[in-house]
Amino acid sequence: GAGVSQTPSNKVTEKGKYVELRCDPISGHTALYWYRQSLGQGPEFLIYFQGTGAADDSGLPNDRFFAVRPEGSVSTLKIQRTERGDSAVYLCASSSAANTGELFFGEGSRLTVL
Amino acid sequence: AQRVTQPEKLLSVFKGAPVELKCNYSYSGSPELFWYVQYSRQRLQLLLRHISRESIKGFTADLNKGETSFHLKKPFAQEEDSAMYYCALKGAGANSKLTFGKGITLSVRP
Repeated sequence: GAGVSQTPSNKVTEKGKYVELRCDPISGHTALYWYRQSLGQGPEFLIYFQGTGAADDSGLPNDRFFAVRPEGSVSTLKIQRTERGDSAVYLCASSSAANTGELFFGEGSRLTVL
Repeated sequence: AQRVTQPEKLLSVFKGAPVELKCNYSYSGSPELFWYVQYSRQRLQLLLRHISRESIKGFTADLNKGETSFHLKKPFAQEEDSAMYYCALKGAGANSKLTFGKGITLSVRP
């Protein structure tokens, strides 16, 4: 398929563990976004990449969260020392170079921290 | 700072009734406003944007800068409109992020 792909779709981990979530954007899309969605809330912005660089990382809640996009395509969101409050659906989206505001979303990675 | 407020969590109407989903925003410059929709077991997707000034699936939304609102309207709801609806705002500038509201569940009963 040509859509945004996220893996894993579900991840259950224990408090204190390290987690990586992967996003494969639509081919040719240079902008990539990570959002977090908790139950009953809208998507909360985490970080936005334009190419390989983070254009805006103001939404990362603390230094346990880090994201990379080394080759300007696939991105990995990394969470260290997970806490129960990190449990949420992590959404990835991509858009064309023009950053029109039309984001194409993946199905999300549901993270549960026990 | 940019903020989007959707004051209601749930709107339940009968098929054929009019629908208005409210959205208010806070932004100091000239924003771009969007409505996104998530149908059951589907991905979040763009429904419409204020710049296009188009009707999608019978829905329209007008940007009212005086009231800082961007309400989504449809004159006659259909059962297939049942979904989660999110209002979103993008600030000025090429690198501006998209900020979402908390969303509203629209339930259209037969």
